[in-house]
Amino acid sequence: AQKITQTQPGMFVQEKEAVTLDCTYDTSDPSYGLFWYKQPSSGEMIFLIYQGSYDQQNATEGRYSLNFQKARKSANLVISASQLGDSAMYFCAMREGDTGGFKTIFGAGTRLFVKA
Amino acid sequence: GAVVSQHPSWVICKSGTSVKIECRSLDFQATTMFWYRQFPKQSLMLMATSNEGSKATYEQGVEKDKFLINHASLTLSTLTVTSAHPEDSSFYICSARATQPLAKNIQYFGAGTRLSVL
Repeated sequence: AQKITQTQPGMFVQEKEAVTLDCTYDTSDPSYGLFWYKQPSSGEMIFLIYQGSYDQQNATEGRYSLNFQKARKSANLVISASQLGDSAMYFCAMREGDTGGFKTIFGAGTRLFVKA
Repeated sequence: GAVVSQHPSWVICKSGTSVKIECRSLDFQATTMFWYRQFPKQSLMLMATSNEGSKATYEQGVEKDKFLINHASLTLSTLTVTSAHPEDSSFYICSARATQPLAKNIQYFGAGTRLSVL
C-alpha cells in the first residue's frame, strides 16, 4: 500500500510568490518523522525540513514551513517567496518507528517550476 | 548540515565488470547507512539498510549477491555492483542517518553515482 502520496506531478509558481506542495501519508505507528527533500537536476538530495509526530508546532526552516495536520495525515510543504533556484524535484518522506523498521520511504515527488 | 561524500559521481563500465561505490560520512558517525536506487523521473527506492559491523538488510526483490554491501566502519559503507549488466544502469544514492548529538536522526544524502553499463 502506498504510504506516502504526492498527488502533484508538477507545479508552477511565479517568482516571489508562495507555493504549497502536498503530501499525505499513512501509518499506524504513533511515532514517526516526516521529511522534505529537494533534488535539483544535479541529483543530490538536500534536506529541507523535519516534523516529528509528537511535535506540537509546525516546523519552519527559513522560507520553508511544514503544514502538519496530524488528523488528516498530511504534511504539506510551503515555500514562501519562491526563487528561481527553487526549481527542482521535491520529495516528501516518512520514517516510521518500530513497525516500519526505522526505514525512510519516499513519495513519487513533485517537480516545481518557478517562473520569472 | 552533515556531509556525506559519495564516490565516484559517475562511472561507465563494460558489461560483466564489477563497480564499487563508496559512501562516507565526513563529520559524523553513522551506525546506519542506506542505499537507494533511482530510475529517471522516479522516486528513490530503498535497496538495503547497512548497519556497521553486521550484514546488510536487503529489501524484497533486491539481489544481495548482485549488490554487495559492506559497512566496515562508522563512517564508510560500500556498494559493489557485481557482474554489472545494462539493466543495472541507474542512479545510486547513499544516505547516512545522523544520530545524537545531531538532532532528529535525519538522513543525509550523498550526491549520488550515475552508473552506465555498456
